[in-house]
Formats: sequence, C-alpha cells, structure tokens
Amino acid sequence: AQSVTQLDSQVPVFEEAPVELRCNYSSSVSVYLFWYVQYPNQGLQLLLKYLSGSTLVKGINGFEAEFNKSQTSFHLRKPSVHISDTAEYFCAVSGRGNTPLVFGKGTRLSVIA
Amino acid sequence: DAGVIQSPRHEVTEMGQEVTLRCKPISGHDYLFWYRQTMMRGLELLIYFNNNVPIDDSGMPEDRFSAKMPNASFSTLKIQPSEPRDSAVYFCASSLIPGLPTDTQYFGPGTRLTVL
Repeated sequence: AQSVTQLDSQVPVFEEAPVELRCNYSSSVSVYLFWYVQYPNQGLQLLLKYLSGSTLVKGINGFEAEFNKSQTSFHLRKPSVHISDTAEYFCAVSGRGNTPLVFGKGTRLSVIA
Repeated sequence: DAGVIQSPRHEVTEMGQEVTLRCKPISGHDYLFWYRQTMMRGLELLIYFNNNVPIDDSGMPEDRFSAKMPNASFSTLKIQPSEPRDSAVYFCASSLIPGLPTDTQYFGPGTRLTVL
C-alpha cells in the first residue's frame, strides 16, 4: 500500500518569494506522483505529475516538482509566488496497476502581500 | 466536455433527514470516486466504481452511507439518516484508468453539506 506525508500543514510566504512544499511517500512498488491544487470553494485540479523519465517535472502556473527516489520525496517548488497562488496543495501517489490515488492531508499556502 | 458535474452545490438539512448527492462523470471515464473533505480529517476516499461496479467501499464511514452507479453517466451518494458530523464537502471525481500514465482524476466542484 502507498502513503503520503505532507510535512507542513501551513506555509505562509511573502509575494515574489520562493516556496517549497514538501511531500514524502511510502510504497513498495513503482509509483506515479501527483500534485493537485485546490483554490477556495473549488474542486481539486491537477498541477503536475511524474510518470517516468526526467525527475524534474514542470507544471502549470510556474510550479515544478522533483522526484527523488532515494529520499522518496516529491517536493513542489516555485521560484516566485503570486497572491493568486494562495490555495491548498495536495500531494498524491498512485501505485501502478489499477490502484486509486492516495492523497496527503494537504498544505495550505498563504501568500502575503 | 463540461467536466464532472455535481448537484446540489450546497445542501442544508436537519438531522435525521435523508440526503442525496449526485454526480455526472466525464464521458468515457471508467472510474468514479467519491471523497469527503473536512478540516479534521482532510480528503478521504469513501468509495470508487469501475464500469459502474463498486470496487472498494472500505472508506464508507457506516451503514448510513450508500452509493450507487446505475449507469456510466450518473452516480449518487446517499446518507440516511444524516447527522451533524456528516457536515463536510463531498467531491466526486472521475478518471480513465488508475495506475496508468493516463491517470488523472478530474474533480467536480463539490457539494457543501451542512446538517443542523
């Protein structure tokens, strides 16, 4: 079975500063990794995903994440955040072979003007 | 495609009443998921279907909860009787085939349920 740990429940950051949201996963099999974003009063939407190949994955809105197999991590980064990035971010893992996503508990990113 | 459609968007009901939440998945998606989101417990998977058949309902909290998928374009989540602790946002999501490179879950806007 897979599991996901998001190490920070809340991350405040000033506008135009860089941010990193941490995610560690546990799995005994090869996995696919995802980051979803939830804006206030909306459903989740896909930000980016790692399937295979290059360990650096670029997503929408300037976000990127790096898959690190040895550290079982998939941290999300953005070099310069905007007010509009204020949202909740969920890391998720899927084991290969018809298994549903397992979500972390989320990290609330608050961008301060 | 209009995306995953959920109704109603908001529901306020009194304890003991029956509540029915509805979901229309994206056409062609074989999998449908029901989630519950609360501040305390985060995002919980309640049940998911493959080709209209329930695959795993281990996340359904208790017998008061039931879910059906009578056809590929419609699913319901029913709570009977409802209790205040059921207050949450309920999301429906659909995807092609989990565990494959095409795996992306598409979420509906959610139904915010308040049980008084």
